[in-house]
Amino acid sequence: KAGVTQTPRYLIKTRGQQVTLSCSPISGHRSVSWYQQTPGQGLQFLFEYFSETQRNKGNFPGRFSGRQFSNSRSEMNVSTLELGDSALYLCASSITEGYDNEQFFGPGTRLTVL
Amino acid sequence: KNQVEQSPQSLIILEGKNCTLQCNYTVSPFSNLRWYKQDTGRGPVSLTIMTFSENTKSNGRYTATLDADTKQSSLHITASQLSDSASYICVVTTSYDKVIFGPGTSLSVIP
Repeated sequence: KAGVTQTPRYLIKTRGQQVTLSCSPISGHRSVSWYQQTPGQGLQFLFEYFSETQRNKGNFPGRFSGRQFSNSRSEMNVSTLELGDSALYLCASSITEGYDNEQFFGPGTRLTVL
Repeated sequence: KNQVEQSPQSLIILEGKNCTLQCNYTVSPFSNLRWYKQDTGRGPVSLTIMTFSENTKSNGRYTATLDADTKQSSLHITASQLSDSASYICVVTTSYDKVIFGPGTSLSVIP
């Protein structure tokens, strides 16, 4: 069974631009969560999607948004990029919603904002 | 304030030795606690997940304990291997599905 895949793996953008990251969950998994990881803040929860609906959201500004498609694939968008958005963005999938289920992480997308 | 603390921040041990990592939390209402292993440049991998009623859970050479009364958890690694070198992250989830991550403990296992 293929694991969680994220594309692209690496991305370089400049301040003010926008970026879209993609996540394909494990087949059969319907919940996708997104996280930001930085050396200073560690791992922080961005949002969770289940059945194309955002069911949980972390404390990030509105520049961070996401969506989920009917095939459970998810995209995350960051608009008006800032230097502080440089981070590893991780996606995790689980069979269903909520955090009692095991989450499987992808390898992440490394975003660098110049 | 919901918070998860981990100690030590970093640790160096000799191959074959045992070690214990600590996690203290002030999260309420508690739902579950997980330990993750994250190799450099990779996504975290789940080691254990424990709910309120569980106080010990093992996964191979990894054994996690949970004391819900004192709000403490530990991860014990037995007979360490070079491949155990990684960051170990404690994550606590509230009943409202709020996820709080600890800062992680960086473990280096040397020959």
